[in-house]
Amino acid sequence: AQSVTQPDIHITVSEGASLELRCNYSYGATPYLFWYVQSPGQGLQLLLKYFSGDTLVQGIKGFEAEFKRSQSSFNLRKPSVHWSDAAEYFCASSGGSYIPTFGRGTSLIVHP
Amino acid sequence: DVKVTQSSRYLVKRTGEKVFLECVQDMDHENMFWYRQDPGLGLRLIYFSYDVKMKEKGDIPEGYSVSREKKERFSLILESASTNQTSMYLCASSLRARQETQYFGPGTRLLVL
Repeated sequence: AQSVTQPDIHITVSEGASLELRCNYSYGATPYLFWYVQSPGQGLQLLLKYFSGDTLVQGIKGFEAEFKRSQSSFNLRKPSVHWSDAAEYFCASSGGSYIPTFGRGTSLIVHP
Repeated sequence: DVKVTQSSRYLVKRTGEKVFLECVQDMDHENMFWYRQDPGLGLRLIYFSYDVKMKEKGDIPEGYSVSREKKERFSLILESASTNQTSMYLCASSLRARQETQYFGPGTRLLVL
């Protein structure tokens, strides 16, 4: 069975600082990988996804993620965090089926 | 603009009551999902439907049932609500392929007293 691990439950950064949220997946072949964001009181919204091609993927709101097969990782990055980025971030993977597996989420706290 | 709507944002019910949560999508998606979200546990799949009248159990189906009589509507039913079903419930829909994005509703926060 596939699994998705987000090792960090909480991440705290200062506004303007860079951000990296970690995601590791377990699946034999190349999975389809997604990052979603959940603002307080809202449903999830897709930030970006990877399924083939260039391993560096650009998303909305200035986010990017890099697929590294050798490390089974798909880490999310942003060069300069804004206060409005404070939210819950979920990594997800579709391996052998079209039912994605979600990580447990990382809560991002942004200090002014 | 794509849209997934859920019938209630907040719901308060008593133990033993039958509870209906409804989800409607306007994107003609084949797949619809019900998740439960609890702090520290992420999203856990309750049930999944890939077509009208078709359903599959997810990771935590106990105490829940679902109904999909029309393509755009997917209902989650708590036959006899219990306090441990207090949670945030999220509905999502997608096209059928693995690379397709899931579109989520705003969620229903259910409190069972």
